[in-house]
Amino acid sequence: GDSVTQMEGPVTLSEEAFLTINCTYTATGYPSLFWYVQYPGEGLQLLLKATKADDKGSNKGFEATYRKETTSFHLEKGSVQVSDSAVYFCALSDGGANAGKSTFGDGTTLTVKP
Amino acid sequence: DGGITQSPKYLFRKEGQNVTLSCEQNLNHDAMYWYRQDPGQGLRLIYYSQIVNDFQKGDIAEGYSVSREKKESFPLTVTSAQKNPTAFYLCASSIAVNSNQPQHFGDGTRLSIL
Repeated sequence: GDSVTQMEGPVTLSEEAFLTINCTYTATGYPSLFWYVQYPGEGLQLLLKATKADDKGSNKGFEATYRKETTSFHLEKGSVQVSDSAVYFCALSDGGANAGKSTFGDGTTLTVKP
Repeated sequence: DGGITQSPKYLFRKEGQNVTLSCEQNLNHDAMYWYRQDPGQGLRLIYYSQIVNDFQKGDIAEGYSVSREKKESFPLTVTSAQKNPTAFYLCASSIAVNSNQPQHFGDGTRLSIL
């Protein structure tokens, strides 16, 4: 079945540092890929998405590129802020066989210190 | 604004008691989902529904029940058979069956045992 493997956390960075959170996936079809963010005590919010190979999703300075050849969707940001502290989830949805269900990674906790 | 509303935000259960968590959406989405999130862990799928009057078990359905009598509503009952119910419960929806679209999440209900 489908699976998503995320870089283990927690990750602690200083403000303005470069961020990379690795994500690789296994899927039988041609999935869409997502990054979600969860702030303390809240639900998940969609951060960015990519629907086909070589697509780049971007939002709020975060970027991720759909790499079919390496089955990866790594999240990057050039300069993190304290307000980026949250839990980040990589996910996929392959539509067909799984009828809209998503498969989530275990989440990576990011803490940014001033 | 369209979205998903979960209530209550906090809920306490006594031994042997069933409790029901509410989830309402006004996004006109066909598919709805319930997830359980334990501290420091990812999301585990409890139940999902692709259409009114139909629902399917997820990965950890034992001790839980759901109904889908209206498109907008997907309540989750945590029964007394669920021996370890303390967790954060998230409801989500997505636009349609066989869709690669992202899921939209509520802000969650935190359930604790008295």
